[in-house]
This record gives sequence, structure tokens and C-alpha cells, in this order.
Amino acid sequence: ETGVTQTPRHLVMGMTNKKSLKCEQHLGHNAMYWYKQSAKKPLELMFVYNFKEQTENNSVPSRFSPECPNSSHLFLHLHTLQPEDSALYLCASSQGKGQGVYSPLHFGNGTRLTVT
Amino acid sequence: DAKTTQPTSMDCAEGRAANLPCNHSTISGNEYVYWYRQIHSQGPQYIIHGLKNNETNEMASLIITEDRKSSTLILPHATLRDTAVYYCIASYNNNDMRFGAGTRLTVKP
Repeated sequence: ETGVTQTPRHLVMGMTNKKSLKCEQHLGHNAMYWYKQSAKKPLELMFVYNFKEQTENNSVPSRFSPECPNSSHLFLHLHTLQPEDSALYLCASSQGKGQGVYSPLHFGNGTRLTVT
Repeated sequence: DAKTTQPTSMDCAEGRAANLPCNHSTISGNEYVYWYRQIHSQGPQYIIHGLKNNETNEMASLIITEDRKSSTLILPHATLRDTAVYYCIASYNNNDMRFGAGTRLTVKP
């Protein structure tokens, strides 16, 4: 149990589908993150939320739409994806900024997405 | 963020110390050095971090050179479960945490 739960673990979707990835953290953290890990590429930071406010968007295409309704939940809404979007999508949480002591990122085990 | 350079892969015998090097020659004064690892089919896991002093916790030790241009992560008694990809990151905070390709450590019996 990592404290960060991602569902589903695996997802196969067509290019015209709309789906959502869900992340939930049980650690009392106030910052949440989406990362993308493609085959043979480093992890790419996609989005950062601090206290439910989006603070980072690293030039991610608009077909990826994040949502953070509260500090414990994070969603990634997907629509009209391309086959190259197939990857492992990882969610992480931490205590966020301004806490003085470093709060490590806690990652979930990811959603393996395949776009056909 | 400072770019880090790590060897692509390393092997270590079970029970021996694993020493993983990292170069970060362009690190700025306020950037910390962080180490994470990723075991197959799991998300990355935090190991340790430091600014300029050597650090030790229950998982590992971190040795940072005096000029802060390089560091070494030490796993004192490697086990088979330590087989993973190890990432060295130089960053100000979690909002800029950029993972590179890392070092694939294989611990062999």
C-alpha cells in the first residue's frame, strides 16, 4: 500500500474515446502531480496542483485535461488521444511548498494506458 | 534545473555495497540533490536528499563532494530487492522535479 492509489491499473482506449484516470491519496498531502512515462523515455512532469490550484502545466496537449476537486483527488481526463500517448501515467503527492522540511514525492503504481 | 549525468547501468553483488555516482556540475547554490528509485512495475520511491552535507538514513547514504558537482549514493548491503532504476535529480523543489534516464542497478546473487 503506497498511500497513493491509481485506478484503473490498465486501460485500453480507441482514439475517439473519452476516459478518465483517477488518483487518490490518503496521506493528508496538499500537492498532487501527474507524470507520464513512455517506453525508453524519462518521466515527464505534466501537471502540478498545490492546494487544488494548478501551478504547473508543462506544455501538455489539450487532449489531456487535469482536474483536482480537492486535495485528496486528482483526475486526468483523456479525449481524442493518439497512439503515441500510450504510456504509464503516474500520480504523486507531497506536502507541498513552504513547509520548511522537505516532503518527498509519494507515487502511485500508475495506470498503463494503451491507445489503439 | 541542473542536468545530471549517471551511468546507464551497474551491477553489484548481493551483500556488497552499491555505489551509484551522479554528476551535476551545473548545480546552483539552492538546488538540492535528490535520489529516487523505481522498481519494475511500480512508481518511483524516495530514497534520500541533501544540499551539501553528507546524509544517511535507514535506506542509504549520500556523499556530496565539497564543490557539489557530484555525489554518490551508497547502499551499504545491497539485496536482490534493491534491483531498480536509480534517479539522481538536482532541483529546488518538487514542482521542478525532472527525472532523467537514471542508472539501472542489477544486484546479482
